[in-house]
Amino acid sequence: QKEVEQNSGPLSVPEGAIASLNCTYSDRGSQSFFWYRQYSGKSPELIMSIYSNGDKEDGRFTAQLNKASQYVSLLIRDSQPSDSATYLCAVSRNTPLVFGKGTRLSVIA
Amino acid sequence: IAGITQAPTSQILAAGRRMTLRCTQDMRHNAMYWYRQDLGLGLRLIHYSNTAGTTGKGEVPDGYSVSRANTDDFPLTLASAVPSQTSVYFCASAIQATGANVLTFGAGSRLTVL
Repeated sequence: QKEVEQNSGPLSVPEGAIASLNCTYSDRGSQSFFWYRQYSGKSPELIMSIYSNGDKEDGRFTAQLNKASQYVSLLIRDSQPSDSATYLCAVSRNTPLVFGKGTRLSVIA
Repeated sequence: IAGITQAPTSQILAAGRRMTLRCTQDMRHNAMYWYRQDLGLGLRLIHYSNTAGTTGKGEVPDGYSVSRANTDDFPLTLASAVPSQTSVYFCASAIQATGANVLTFGAGSRLTVL
């Protein structure tokens, strides 16, 4: 059973701070890694994708991948109350995505 | 239609009844998926289809069936609903079946089985 693990939270950070979300996965052959954001009552939407080791930045978001440690993270800089949501890590090895259970982020104004 | 349309948005049905959740996409995506989302359990894959005419089982396929007669439609059928199938169901699609492709999700169907 391929597993993707996330801390369920809630993770609370003050407005303007950096939020750090972490994810580990069990399938060492995984090749594709995604972060989705899901607001309450809504469907997941893609935030970031990353396929190779290192950092990938997009605006306030940075995804970090370390395949040797089987670890992927998402950093949100200058966190805003509108970032409050559940963040889902998803992993794939040319197969349908396997999702983690999500981390609930709360940004306090 | 733009993207993925799911119907119904919400449904309450009695245990033992047959139910079909509809999913239609207009993006000409080859791959389609059905996930269920339950509190504390995250998104779990029920069935998937890499291309029209083919289907596969996901993590939790029991009690569900799917068909993929054409590219656009991917209905999910509960032959005899049970209370444990109470959940939010999300249909998703991707351009190709390889895991590198991004999923686009529908708005979800909330199903309550009494």
